[in-house]
Amino acid sequence: GAGVSQSPSNKVTEKGKDVELRCDPISGHTALYWYRQSLGQGLEFLIYFQGNSAPDKSGLPSDRFSAERTGGSVSTLTIQRTQQEDSAVYLCASSPNRGGTDTQYFGPGTRLTVL
Amino acid sequence: GESVGLHLPTLSVQEGDNSIINCAYSNSASDYFIWYKQESGKGPQFIIDIRSNMDKRQGQRVTVLLNKTVKHLSLQIAATQPGDSAVYFCAENRRSGYSTLTFGKGTMLLVSP
Repeated sequence: GAGVSQSPSNKVTEKGKDVELRCDPISGHTALYWYRQSLGQGLEFLIYFQGNSAPDKSGLPSDRFSAERTGGSVSTLTIQRTQQEDSAVYLCASSPNRGGTDTQYFGPGTRLTVL
Repeated sequence: GESVGLHLPTLSVQEGDNSIINCAYSNSASDYFIWYKQESGKGPQFIIDIRSNMDKRQGQRVTVLLNKTVKHLSLQIAATQPGDSAVYFCAENRRSGYSTLTFGKGTMLLVSP
C-alpha cells in the first residue's frame, strides 16, 4: 500500500519568508510525528499528533514553528520568518496507534534550504 | 548531493563480512528500542525492534542485542551486502507508553564489493 508521502521534496526559500511543508500519513494511522534532521545529525522530535487529542508540541524549537493536522489525516508544518538555521530535512512519520511500542513509518522528507 | 553521514562515525566492511553497529542509550526507563536504516535522500526505514523484556531478537540477516545492565544496544548484520550501505540509527522511547522516540546520531555503514 501507499506509504507516508511528503511535499515538496525540496524547498529553497529566502530568509524571512514563511514555508509550509505537507505530510500525508498512511491511511488509518492515528498517530503522526514531525522530526527535523540536520546534516550529520540524528532526528530531532518536533511535534506529535494522536487522534483528536491535543498535540504534543514539546519539541518545537521556537514559536515560529507550528503544525496542524486536519481531519485526523494530512498535516502541515509551518515555519514563519525562516532563518538559515532552519535548513534541514523535515521528516514526517505515522504509526497505527498510540503507544511507545508502535513502529513509526517515515516519509522521504522535505529538504529545506534557507538562503 | 550532501550526505547525512558526512560527520558520523563510520564502519567500513567488505561484502560478505558480518557487521556490528553499536548504540549506547542513557535512560534506564526506556522499554522499547528500534533500529532504522536510512539511505541517502530517503526517510528512515524500520529494520528491527526489541522490547526491554528481551535480550535478543533475530530477523532476516539481522540480530539486535540488548544489554540493559550497561545500557547498550547492538545491531548485527550477517553477510553484509553493498545494499546494506546506509546510516543506521537506534531509537528508544524514554517513557513507558510514550509514543515519541529519541534517536541516536547514527552510524554510517560502508560496504565494499
